[in-house]
Amino acid sequence: QSVLTQPPSVSAAPGQKVAISCSGNSSNIGKHYVSWYQQLPGTAPKLHIYENYKRPSGIPGRFSGSKSGTSATLGVTGLQTGDEAEYYCVSWDSSLSAAVFGGGTKLTVL
Amino acid sequence: QVQLQESGPGLVRPSETLTLTCTVSGVSFSITYLSWVRQLPGKGLEWIGYMYYTGNPTYNPSLKSRVTLSIDTSESQFSLKLNSVTAADTAVYYCATTGLSSTGYSTDISFNHWGQGLLVAVSS
Repeated sequence: QSVLTQPPSVSAAPGQKVAISCSGNSSNIGKHYVSWYQQLPGTAPKLHIYENYKRPSGIPGRFSGSKSGTSATLGVTGLQTGDEAEYYCVSWDSSLSAAVFGGGTKLTVL
Repeated sequence: QVQLQESGPGLVRPSETLTLTCTVSGVSFSITYLSWVRQLPGKGLEWIGYMYYTGNPTYNPSLKSRVTLSIDTSESQFSLKLNSVTAADTAVYYCATTGLSSTGYSTDISFNHWGQGLLVAVSS
């Protein structure tokens, strides 16, 4: 069981928007920053959001991040078939003294 | 551009030591931490540990008793040793440049650039 909880799957039509949630507690998300990663099939994860909402160079503005309390959300607008991937959230956990991952959410663009 | 390349054996016998090397280019060791992350088959990701080039690695407590990280700046290499392996250690192993900052209260950790990954099977 992952320390951070994500829905196993989400789906939406091309052009629509989707939100992927990541739930934690006061030792991780409630206290520390969250980053998000996209993993396309057969490839390494790729950083898409860091420090809760910042986008690395080259990541489209269609991707956004937010955090409230002990939960974080990755938003994707203007969905494209190329966005189909597994998405993971990460945070530091003070109680565990470890970086912890969510279990991953598979995004399907119908 | 930043590039990381994992290398090592694709098969390790149970109870032996898994040793992997990550060759890093395009980034100075003085401005980044380095991490190992693994992905169990069909499952999620697990952080193994991180290290700065000056030393003092930090390990995931769940693996701490079996893991050793090291850096050779002269060879631009970052290494992982995992001893007493079992089938449960079969995974794709990734190395990644790591951003780490702390305000004193909040910590930010992010894995910025990743290697392509190396599948390591533990089997007799």
